[in-house]
Amino acid sequence: ELVLTQSPGTLSLSPGERATLSCRTSQSVWNTLLSWYQQKPGQPPRLLIHGLSLRATGIPDRFSGSGSGTEFTLTISTLEPEDFAVYYCQYNGGSFGPGTIVDIK
Amino acid sequence: EVQLLESGGTLVQPGGSLRLSCAASGFTFTNYWMTWTRQAPGKGLEWVANINADGSQTFHAASLKGRFAISRDNVKNSAYLQLNSLTVEDTAVYYCATAGLAGAFDHWGQGVLVTVSS
Repeated sequence: ELVLTQSPGTLSLSPGERATLSCRTSQSVWNTLLSWYQQKPGQPPRLLIHGLSLRATGIPDRFSGSGSGTEFTLTISTLEPEDFAVYYCQYNGGSFGPGTIVDIK
Repeated sequence: EVQLLESGGTLVQPGGSLRLSCAASGFTFTNYWMTWTRQAPGKGLEWVANINADGSQTFHAASLKGRFAISRDNVKNSAYLQLNSLTVEDTAVYYCATAGLAGAFDHWGQGVLVTVSS
């Protein structure tokens, strides 16, 4: 069974800073099946990135995805106030990672 | 506009059963896989099940040990999740979503709360 891990558990940053979130898979996987989601309190998740690096409709270009093999990254180039949330990775419509909390420093 | 509306959440006793519904509108339902994901209070997302567009294939999380079953009715534009042998650990918000490109869950409902308690 494929296991996804995310690091760090919590990332404390200030608006305007760059955020780098990591997702690792327990075995090498097809890059194009890796997705990222954002979730804010009391809301359902929102798809940010699919197919490793393709932004979903309406997602600003400060969000980018990259990686290969077992190591994947979500980068937020310049944090906006609305970006403070929990971020999850997912592989091939199955298991999610445990999430990374991005909170305000 | 894509809309997914879950219903059927309630308080149920341990050992009980429940069927959740997800009514879809605003898109061609028969073109999409459908999914269920749950989130226990204060916890992360847990994938539950997927069903393909014509309902001929289903996939469930192994951790559920066969207690849950996903289904769909393409005439009613609805997806369902049957929950059996419920335990307190099944208490969660259950979300339905569409599965689009590369298996990504691209549209989500607001979720429905299932509480398992005596």
